[in-house]
Amino acid sequence: NAGVTQTPKFQVLKTGQSMTLQCAQDMNHNSMYWYRQDPGMGLRLIYYSASEGTTDKGEVPNGYNVSRLNKREFSLRLESAAPSQTSVYFCASRGGTEAFFGQGTRLTVV
Amino acid sequence: QQPVQSPQAVILREGEDAVINCSSSKALYSVHWYRQKHGEAPVFLMILLKGGEQKGHEKISASFNEKKQQSSLYLTASQLSYSGTYFCGTDSTPYAGGTSYGKLTFGQGTILTVHP
Repeated sequence: NAGVTQTPKFQVLKTGQSMTLQCAQDMNHNSMYWYRQDPGMGLRLIYYSASEGTTDKGEVPNGYNVSRLNKREFSLRLESAAPSQTSVYFCASRGGTEAFFGQGTRLTVV
Repeated sequence: QQPVQSPQAVILREGEDAVINCSSSKALYSVHWYRQKHGEAPVFLMILLKGGEQKGHEKISASFNEKKQQSSLYLTASQLSYSGTYFCGTDSTPYAGGTSYGKLTFGQGTILTVHP
């Protein structure tokens, strides 16, 4: 049982480049989330999708876009990466009271 | 808006107790607690639902004051394995019996270190 799978695990981007972080879950969950984690800031919600076909902004959506491709997949896109987006990104899914997290993507923007 | 946790860090010796607090400015339907070990993903510990229901860990307990929008996590007789960063998560979505959930917002974390 894979749970929540994120790709890639590590990425280095140059300022201005674009990329998409992929997330897939195999638990048949309706709700999915993207967070970023920075030292001292905790987990900050970027976007979430309560169910297939819907997406909503979280606390820090600027500079990001998301796509809920189907029930399994929820991707996060950086159109023009900035050094301030250097962070660890976590995807999570939720089908009941508990949220399950992926192993994270460590992104560095230089 | 993120819930606020206190303290930011706690250092304990094995066997000592700790309390971590979480407060929100919004009305809450549930409070979640997660633990993250260094370099790993956060892992669910427990959830406290409006109305008093709790689900989760055997050796860790928590309280939820719905009127004050506050929760506390109680770690008793701490073990080395309790070390990590603890996050509270707050959910303002009422449970209507469905399987779709709204925002789950986390605090800034409390770093707990347990020494032998």
